Amino acid sequence: GAVVSQHPSWVICKSGTSVKIECRSLDFQATTMFWYRQFPKQSLMLMATSNEGSKATYEQGVEKDKFLINHASLTLSTLTVTSAHPEDSSFYICSAVWGGLGTQYFGPGTRLTVL
Amino acid sequence: RKEVEQDPGPFNVPEGATVAFNCTYSNSASQSFFWYRQDCRKEPKLLMSVYSSGNEDGRFTAQLNRASQYISLLIRDSKLSDSATYLCVVNRDPEKLTFGTGTRLTIIP
Repeated sequence: GAVVSQHPSWVICKSGTSVKIECRSLDFQATTMFWYRQFPKQSLMLMATSNEGSKATYEQGVEKDKFLINHASLTLSTLTVTSAHPEDSSFYICSAVWGGLGTQYFGPGTRLTVL
Repeated sequence: RKEVEQDPGPFNVPEGATVAFNCTYSNSASQSFFWYRQDCRKEPKLLMSVYSSGNEDGRFTAQLNRASQYISLLIRDSKLSDSATYLCVVNRDPEKLTFGTGTRLTIIP
């Protein structure tokens, strides 16, 4: 089956620092990956669509200069949270599209805590 | 109005019971519908797609009512391992998914 990994699985950082999260499709190539954020007891909210070789498209209300997305290869997308603040603390999950039906397979998520 | 609405629960049901969840969606142009399950602090995992004719996968049955814009999930003979949050998911364009907030289910021994 399609496997998606994320690294790190959890990270604690100080306010003002930047954090990079990697999303990899391990056994397939993904031209499209998605980044989501989930706050406690809330639904997953789509942040941006990451397309290999082109700029990411961001959902309304998501600051593209704060959440930098790079999709440099067909198996890797990265999300960098720049100048992180405590309100950025959340569960960040990526997904990759595989197969003709466009099924999304999710990574295990990264729990970010900003102190 | 939220794009996808679910009763957050929690639903606490005894092992072996049958439980049903409903979900409503607002975008009548939606084409694809899914149920995902999410365990605490884990990523969502696809449980099943939902087809217009209704579909079954073992103890799980999903139904779609396009006229009323609602989706249902029925779990029969519930197991302790069914305890999770069940997410109703609808596409809003060919690839983008909209998630409901989820319904929490706890199966009681």
